[in-house]
Amino acid sequence: DGGITQSPKYLFRKEGQNVTLSCEQNLNHDAMYWYRQDPGQGLRLIYYSQIVNDFQKGDIAEGYSVSREKKESFPLTVTSAQKNPTAFYLCASTGPGGTQYFGPGTRLLVL
Amino acid sequence: AQSVSQHNHHVILSEAASLELGCNYSYGGTVNLFWYVQYPGQHLQLLLKYFSGDPLVKGIKGFEAEFIKSKFSFNLRKPSVQWSDTAEYFCAVNEADYKLSFGAGTTVTVRA
Repeated sequence: DGGITQSPKYLFRKEGQNVTLSCEQNLNHDAMYWYRQDPGQGLRLIYYSQIVNDFQKGDIAEGYSVSREKKESFPLTVTSAQKNPTAFYLCASTGPGGTQYFGPGTRLLVL
Repeated sequence: AQSVSQHNHHVILSEAASLELGCNYSYGGTVNLFWYVQYPGQHLQLLLKYFSGDPLVKGIKGFEAEFIKSKFSFNLRKPSVQWSDTAEYFCAVNEADYKLSFGAGTTVTVRA
């Protein structure tokens, strides 16, 4: 089955801790994205990558970091600098034609 | 960056009622337009999209949307809703680089 997988489904972060959210796709898509979803605010773009070894900041990149060493993988690290990390995080990829496909999401909670 | 406005935060209606959700965007150039739906506990999934051609586009589950360029709008409609249409609906717009700008979302609750 082709698709986007995200892990874990739930993640707990202690204060001052960095945590990494996984995103993998087997759709052979070049472009991948990370969004943050908060109630009443829709989805906001954190980072995106249009090709391996290249990525750009989105609208709310502060306190986050990414890497894109492989086409299939686009992990997101929520650093201790992100003061309000509690949210639902969605990973997406874009194939030919520009339609974005989304993973099931990771819910990050702060202890 | 694009600004996308969804007019209703929460819509409550009865089964068989008609649904229309408003969406307006700010960019005046060439855009691609999308409606996504998020059913409770499920992935965000594509409902329909407009790239070019006929401004009235049909999607899955009986939904349709009309692109009105002069009004910068892309409203979503369904003539007769079902209880299973209870979900959150997001309008999204992109420009040439495939980045999507999302509206804040509209929660639709359909009462049996």
